[in-house]
Amino acid sequence: EAGVAQSPRYKIIEKRQSVAFWCNPISGHATLYWYQQILGQGPKLLIQFQNNGVVDDSQLPKDRFSAERLKGVDSTLKIQPAKLEDSAVYLCASSPYPTWAGELFFGEGSRLTVL
Amino acid sequence: DQQVKQNSPSLSVQEGRISILNCDYTNSMFDYFLWYKKYPAEGPTFLISISSIKDKNEDGRFTVFLNKSAKHLSLHIVPSQPGDSAVYFCAAAVYGQNFVFGPGTRLSVLP
Repeated sequence: EAGVAQSPRYKIIEKRQSVAFWCNPISGHATLYWYQQILGQGPKLLIQFQNNGVVDDSQLPKDRFSAERLKGVDSTLKIQPAKLEDSAVYLCASSPYPTWAGELFFGEGSRLTVL
Repeated sequence: DQQVKQNSPSLSVQEGRISILNCDYTNSMFDYFLWYKKYPAEGPTFLISISSIKDKNEDGRFTVFLNKSAKHLSLHIVPSQPGDSAVYFCAAAVYGQNFVFGPGTRLSVLP
């Protein structure tokens, strides 16, 4: 079974530029998550999708971050304009389970460096 | 306000000995807990879980203990192996809500 695919693995941009990350979850997983992991901290949820609908985006900085999951499969996370504090690993995860009930399957992450 | 705390950023253990990783939480409503393991340049992978109706769950070399009154859980690895060297995250959730992750503990198992 193929795992969660993410791209690009690494991205370096200057502040105020824009960047987009892509995620393809495990086939059949209805729930998709984007997490931000800043160095030395645990993953922090940015947004959760159930199929193509947003379930939780309470911690997404909506003035600069946006995400979509068209057709309920793959997803993109965009940052525009980027700030220095956005430097982090952006993890995509998927799950066949309800929100709290089971493990999440994570991708390898996309490491963003903002200069 | 950190709801899930892992107060030891790092831990070193000799191969073959027991590793004990600790996690404390502040929200008494948490009723489901997970441990994840993360190797460098990889995403976290699920290790073991426990619900609040139990105080212990075992899976091979890995055992998680939950002390609800102390709002504390621990992960025991016996015996520790060099391949266990990784960052371990504790995560907690309230029924119907998303998981909150701790900051992680880096375990080094020395040969």
